[in-house]
Amino acid sequence: NAGVTQTPKFRILKIGQSMTLQCAQDMNHNYMYWYRQDPGMGLKLIYYSVGAGITDKGEVPNGYNVSRSTTEDFPLRLELAAPSQTSVYFCASSSETLGRARGADTQYFGPGTRLTVL
Amino acid sequence: RKEVEQDPGPFNVPEGATVAFNCTYSNSASQSFFWYRQDCRKEPKLLMSVYSSGNEDGRFTAQLNRASQYISLLIRDSKLSDSATYLCVVTPYSSASKIIFGSGTRLSIRP
Repeated sequence: NAGVTQTPKFRILKIGQSMTLQCAQDMNHNYMYWYRQDPGMGLKLIYYSVGAGITDKGEVPNGYNVSRSTTEDFPLRLELAAPSQTSVYFCASSSETLGRARGADTQYFGPGTRLTVL
Repeated sequence: RKEVEQDPGPFNVPEGATVAFNCTYSNSASQSFFWYRQDCRKEPKLLMSVYSSGNEDGRFTAQLNRASQYISLLIRDSKLSDSATYLCVVTPYSSASKIIFGSGTRLSIRP
């Protein structure tokens, strides 16, 4: 199992450009999440999905879009990049939502994408 | 007041020492609690879940104090490899939209 994979690892964007951060998991997890982590800060939830075809906003969704056409993939789209979106982006997955089932709610994280917007 | 607060540290302790740190949360409806470990420039990894009855895993012990609204992590016989940032995670029961990560406590173990 590769677990959770993310591409690219690094990216530099100019203001106003758009890009898609890719995320895939091979654990057949229903739940997938996108987080951003700013320097010295905790992770903030951007979007999450409870299954294919279902997505919902997290704490900081503005400036981002997601889709979930398959169980495996959960891409994050930035339409008009802004310097405030400079961050490290982590994708995660779990078989259950947190707190629902002991042991089944572990979130597995991808290695992250470091994005700089100049 | 932040929803989840942690002392950022760094905690700098000698190898073999016992170290403990807390995480306070403001939402009394919070139901699920976790400690994650994050190495420098790496992704977070689950260290342990925190149950009402407490949880122990080898050298690590996690406790929940609902009355005072905090969780704690105790590390005994600390190893150099324990050096990392420890993130606490708090969430209402079964709500994927309200997962709150603390900013983390940095721990550095010296030889």
